Amino acid sequence: DIVMTQSPDSLAVSLGERAAINCKSNQNILDSSNNKSYLSWYQQKPGQPPKLLIYWASIRESGVPDRFSGSGSGTDFTLTISSLQAEDVAVYYCQQCYSSLALTFGGGTKVEIK
Amino acid sequence: QMQLVQSGAEMKKTGSSVKVSCKASGYTFTYRYLHWVRQAPGQALEWMGWITPFNGNTYYAQKFQDRVTISRDRSMSTAYMELNSLKSDDTAMYYCATALGREDYDLLTGHRRSAFDIWGQGTLVTVSS
Repeated sequence: DIVMTQSPDSLAVSLGERAAINCKSNQNILDSSNNKSYLSWYQQKPGQPPKLLIYWASIRESGVPDRFSGSGSGTDFTLTISSLQAEDVAVYYCQQCYSSLALTFGGGTKVEIK
Repeated sequence: QMQLVQSGAEMKKTGSSVKVSCKASGYTFTYRYLHWVRQAPGQALEWMGWITPFNGNTYYAQKFQDRVTISRDRSMSTAYMELNSLKSDDTAMYYCATALGREDYDLLTGHRRSAFDIWGQGTLVTVSS
C-alpha cells in the first residue's frame, strides 16, 4: 500500500498568520496520462466527520474559503492556510486515491492557535 | 439534499459481530461507490473497503479482508458494513462516505478514484469483554 506521511504532527499558529502542512507519499500518485495527482485534503473538527477541502492536489471544493490552497505533484504536497482563523482549528488529513484498490490516509496534523 | 445517514451506536462483546447501516438519499444510490472508513479514538482515518451498489461488487483493505463484509440493499438505498470476531481495538467511529462529484476512472483497474465529498455522521462501535 502507498504510505502517506504528514508533517508536522501538530502546529500552533497565530491568528492571521500562515499555516502549512506537508504530506509525502512513498510512491508517485501522479497519473501521467492526465497530469492529475490523486491527493485530497480533509478537515476534521471534534465530534464531526471529515470535510473535503481540496481534491486532485489543488482543486478547492465548492464553498471552501479561498484561504485554503493545495499544491504539489507526484510525491510531495502541501496544504496552506494563508491567514489562520479561529474556526480553522482542527485536524487535517491527506488521502491518496491513486490506488483505487487501496486508499490510504496520512496520520493527521493538529492545527491550534498560538 | 444529498446525505448519508448511519445507524446508531453499538456496544458489543469481544468475539461478536456488528452490522452498521448507511442510508443514502438525495442522489442515485447505484451510481456511486460507497466506502467505509474507521477512526479509533484519537487516531487517524483508516479505509476499510468499498461496494459498487449497482452490482454489489466489493473490495476490502487487506487488513480487514478476513473479517469484514460490505453489502447493500438497492431497494432501500442502504449499504451495510459487518465486522466479525470483534476485538477491543475495533472500538472506533465507523463512517460511510461517497464521492458524488469527485471521481475519476482508474484505467489500470477499471475502478474509481474517489475524493469523499459526502460522509455519514458516524457510528460509534464500542467493544469490551
